[in-house]
Amino acid sequence: GQNIDQPTEMTATEGAIVQINCTYQTSGFNGLFWYQQHAGEAPTFLSYNVLDGLEEKGRFSSFLSRSKGYSYLLLKELQMKDSASYLCAVINSNYQLIWGAGTKLIIKP
Amino acid sequence: IAGITQAPTSQILAAGRRMTLRCTQDMRHNAMYWYRQDLGLGLRLIHYSNTAGTTGKGEVPDGYSVSRANTDDFPLTLASAVPSQTSVYFCASSEQGASGANVLTFGAGSRLTVL
Repeated sequence: GQNIDQPTEMTATEGAIVQINCTYQTSGFNGLFWYQQHAGEAPTFLSYNVLDGLEEKGRFSSFLSRSKGYSYLLLKELQMKDSASYLCAVINSNYQLIWGAGTKLIIKP
Repeated sequence: IAGITQAPTSQILAAGRRMTLRCTQDMRHNAMYWYRQDLGLGLRLIHYSNTAGTTGKGEVPDGYSVSRANTDDFPLTLASAVPSQTSVYFCASSEQGASGANVLTFGAGSRLTVL
């Protein structure tokens, strides 16, 4: 089967750093996305990784290791508005997008 | 503002009734998708369309139908609603279909409750 694993929920403090992990087992790999979804709203695109390594975009960075089937999203200088769910999704060899259930991130003052 | 418009925002429906969720995009994207989102599960693809005039089945197509008469509109129809179709439905679009790293733009969602 195909599977994307993410922690269900994480809590972090305003101003701190948090790392949200995503591991995947899919039939092939053609890229990995991270989306942000605030409660009651639509998912919005954060990042895309297809090669190994770290992609930095402001306070957010995304890392990929294809050999380990592993990615993480790193959020720095956390702000209250970062409270949201973070969705990991993998494109498999058939170009199907497989979604994880998402990680709910709670930011405390 | 360019994007995707979904209607209705929310609906309560009696089991057995027919319901159409509307989706319109103004970005001239070729591909459109319907997903459902349920607590504890990842987004699941119901149906998709890579271009106007074509449609395809996703992961959970049973009980749903779609049409793509033109580029902008992609309605989702529940022919005879059942309680297991209670969910939040998201319409999405991308510039191209299943051929690469297509960033999805999502609508705001339609919350459907079937009693």
